[in-house]
Amino acid sequence: DVKVTQSSRYLVKRTGEKVFLECVQDMDHENMFWYRQDPGLGLRLIYFSYDVKMKEKGDIPEGYSVSREKKERFSLILESASTNQTSMYLCASSWPWGGVGYTFGSGTRLTVV
Amino acid sequence: GQQLNQSPQSMFIQEGEDVSMNCTSSSIFNTWLWYKQDPGEGPVLLIALYKAGELTSNGRLTAQFGITRKDSFLNISASIPSDVGIYFCAGQLWEYGNKLVFGAGTILRVKS
Repeated sequence: DVKVTQSSRYLVKRTGEKVFLECVQDMDHENMFWYRQDPGLGLRLIYFSYDVKMKEKGDIPEGYSVSREKKERFSLILESASTNQTSMYLCASSWPWGGVGYTFGSGTRLTVV
Repeated sequence: GQQLNQSPQSMFIQEGEDVSMNCTSSSIFNTWLWYKQDPGEGPVLLIALYKAGELTSNGRLTAQFGITRKDSFLNISASIPSDVGIYFCAGQLWEYGNKLVFGAGTILRVKS
């Protein structure tokens, strides 16, 4: 089975801290994605990557950056955490061709205080 | 970004009842998918549909790919308490990048 592993299930950080959320997948997928999930707003795409060292902005990239130095790892970075970034963060991966869905990680619930 | 219109937003039903939810879009898709998210977990794929008009079942779940390629529905028969969660529809175009467009989700609560 494909596994997408997010390093932390719960995180509490202070306002202004630099925060790293890590995601690792074990199926050699080219594509990786970061979403945030808020009640009533569904899944909103922050950034995605189609290959190592490639990244593209999603719908809500402000306040975030990403890093993909190795194919299996995609990191989401909050440069200076703010309380409005308190959310559930979901990582996903997939093959690059159509007709297949994503495999999601279990999520990281981040609270910024 | 684009988002699908998913309804209802939430449902509170009796155990044993059938459930129906649907998703519509202004654009066509090549694949429709339905995911379920249990509380505190990531979404898990339930059903994938690849052809307009296709009707697919997975246990008590039945989903259909609309004939216009712009909509899909999911039915759950004889709901049980473990059906609680958030159900997301997603549409996909078979183009480079393989991006999914998601609905906002249907929250299902079951009264036992």
